[in-house]
Amino acid sequence: GQNIDQPTEMTATEGAIVQINCTYQTSGFNGLFWYQQHAGEAPTFLSYNVLDGLEEKGRFSSFLSRSKGYSYLLLKELQMKDSASYLCAAMDSNYQLIWGAGTKLIIKP
Amino acid sequence: DTAVSQTPKYLVTQMGNDKSIKCEQNLGHDTMYWYKQDSKKFLKIMFSYNNKELIINETVPNRFSPKSPDKAHLNLHINSLELGDSAVYFCASSPQTSGGPSSYNEQFFGPGTRLTVL
Repeated sequence: GQNIDQPTEMTATEGAIVQINCTYQTSGFNGLFWYQQHAGEAPTFLSYNVLDGLEEKGRFSSFLSRSKGYSYLLLKELQMKDSASYLCAAMDSNYQLIWGAGTKLIIKP
Repeated sequence: DTAVSQTPKYLVTQMGNDKSIKCEQNLGHDTMYWYKQDSKKFLKIMFSYNNKELIINETVPNRFSPKSPDKAHLNLHINSLELGDSAVYFCASSPQTSGGPSSYNEQFFGPGTRLTVL
């Protein structure tokens, strides 16, 4: 079956760095997405990886290892506004997104 | 300037009723989607649709039906509402479903419709 695993909740301190891990099992693979979702709002796109390696975009970076079925989202210089859920989604061979349940990130002062 | 819009934002109704949620995108995208996000925050794809193909998640009850009057609209009609249908329903769109650079696969979400069935 198809499955996405990510931690349910993480806590970090303002100004610190946090890494949110995601493992996936899909029928075929056409890329890995990270979305951010603030409470009561719609998900918004953060990053897309289809090749192995690290993609950096400002304070956010995303890493992919296709052989391990593994990705992480790295958030640096955490700000209070980064408190949100972070959704990992893998695209299968039919180009359908398979979503994880999201990781709720709590930022403390 | 809203890219993907949904109405209504909140919907409260009685069991057994029939209701519709409307979705419109002004991005010129080819593909639209409906998702259900339950209390556990899982986003579950219900339908994806473009001019050529409707893909239905086999776990979706046939009480749910998408209706697309044109490429920019994909409405969701729900018959005989049940308590378990209470959730947030998100509409989304993307330029295309298959292949291409990442920008073609990015999905843009509407603000969501919170459905409460009493």
